[in-house]
Amino acid sequence: DAKTTQPTSMDCAEGRAANLPCNHSTISGNEYVYWYRQIHSQGPQYIIHGLKNNETNEMASLIITEDRKSSTLILPHATLRDTAVYYCIVRSIMEYGNKLVFGAGTILRVKS
Amino acid sequence: NAGVTQTPKFQVLKTGQSMTLQCAQDMNHNSMYWYRQDPGMGLRLIYYSASEGTTDKGEVPNGYNVSRLNKREFSLRLESAAPSQTSVYFCASSVRGTGGNTDTQYFGPGTRLTVL
Repeated sequence: DAKTTQPTSMDCAEGRAANLPCNHSTISGNEYVYWYRQIHSQGPQYIIHGLKNNETNEMASLIITEDRKSSTLILPHATLRDTAVYYCIVRSIMEYGNKLVFGAGTILRVKS
Repeated sequence: NAGVTQTPKFQVLKTGQSMTLQCAQDMNHNSMYWYRQDPGMGLRLIYYSASEGTTDKGEVPNGYNVSRLNKREFSLRLESAAPSQTSVYFCASSVRGTGGNTDTQYFGPGTRLTVL
């Protein structure tokens, strides 16, 4: 796995956009960027993934820089229920059927 | 569509007892996984099954056995529980993405196991 670097924690006001950065400077061409989150005491939840184009789904947007060395997960209107640990994971197709490697992640605290 | 379900949600065992954790998915996924998560730590893969009829060891398989009963179900058995197996156990399943070049894992709610 390419190494990822995320801030340890971030705060966000309820209703505002939460922008979570991730550095993955050693990412290789066949590696995707995945984002998961884990709300306290629950199983990890898939959010979004991308290769090189920006992606959007009902939960979030993923912005990947042109050189693919970093990305940003955007929660457009954060709510208290978005308080969780967010994990940025780089993963290649060669790892299909293999484990996900979760780093320390970013603790996002959404405050009212 | 329930996704990935796990039973039981909580379990307390005494050292030496055995038990089976059950996992089922209704998403028609080929691959299934068992992870454990200890307090303040990341997930560690115990076993996985890339497809029905196959199972492989992950990074921490000692003390566990698995059975891929059919495409839907993947069980984890502790033959003789030890306090070191106190953990939260997560089951996951995955599907290969369009074009076959990605896969996304979906997790169950977990089983909280305490071994006294």
